[in-house]
Amino acid sequence: AQSVTQPDIHITVSEGASLELRCNYSYGATPYLFWYVQSPGQGLQLLLKYFSGDTLVQGIKGFEAEFKRSQSSFNLRKPSVHWSDAAEYFCAVGASFGNEKLTFGTGTRLTIIP
Amino acid sequence: EADIYQTPRYLVIGTGKKITLECSQTMGHDKMYWYQQDPGMELHLIHYSYGVNSTEKGDLSSESTVSRIRTEHFPLTLESARPSHTSQYLCASSGQGNIQYFGAGTRLSVL
Repeated sequence: AQSVTQPDIHITVSEGASLELRCNYSYGATPYLFWYVQSPGQGLQLLLKYFSGDTLVQGIKGFEAEFKRSQSSFNLRKPSVHWSDAAEYFCAVGASFGNEKLTFGTGTRLTIIP
Repeated sequence: EADIYQTPRYLVIGTGKKITLECSQTMGHDKMYWYQQDPGMELHLIHYSYGVNSTEKGDLSSESTVSRIRTEHFPLTLESARPSHTSQYLCASSGQGNIQYFGAGTRLSVL
């Protein structure tokens, strides 16, 4: 069965500092990987996705993620965070086609301090 | 980017009332989903649909029901609301690429 682990429940980062959010997955085939962001009281917004090709993918809002098959990881990074990045971040895995549902991680809450 | 709309955004209602949460999408997506999410917590899939007249229960048991009479519309109904139903409900849809697009959610409070 597929699964996603986000080991960090809560991360606090200073504004302007770099950020890395961890995501590890378990999936039987080539995974389709996603990062979503959720601001308070809102739905989820897609930040970026990976299925194949270049293992470093660029997303919106200056985020990027790197797929490492050997480590079953898909970590999210940003070189310099802004106060507006404070939100909940969810990693997800699924298939790129068919009727398979996405499996979401439990989320990482990001707090930005001045 | 898909357009997916949920109404109402906020709902406060008394115990025992029947409620329907609306979800509509304009992208012609075949697949639609309902998730339940407590504040700051993970998402739990409660219902999904792969097309008109197709509905399935999700991973988390829910007393709610859904219908899919039209491709663009996937309403969720609670026949008799209880305080335990207080939560945020998120609707999503996806096309052939399986990218899920989410609505803004409905925050439900049952008194």
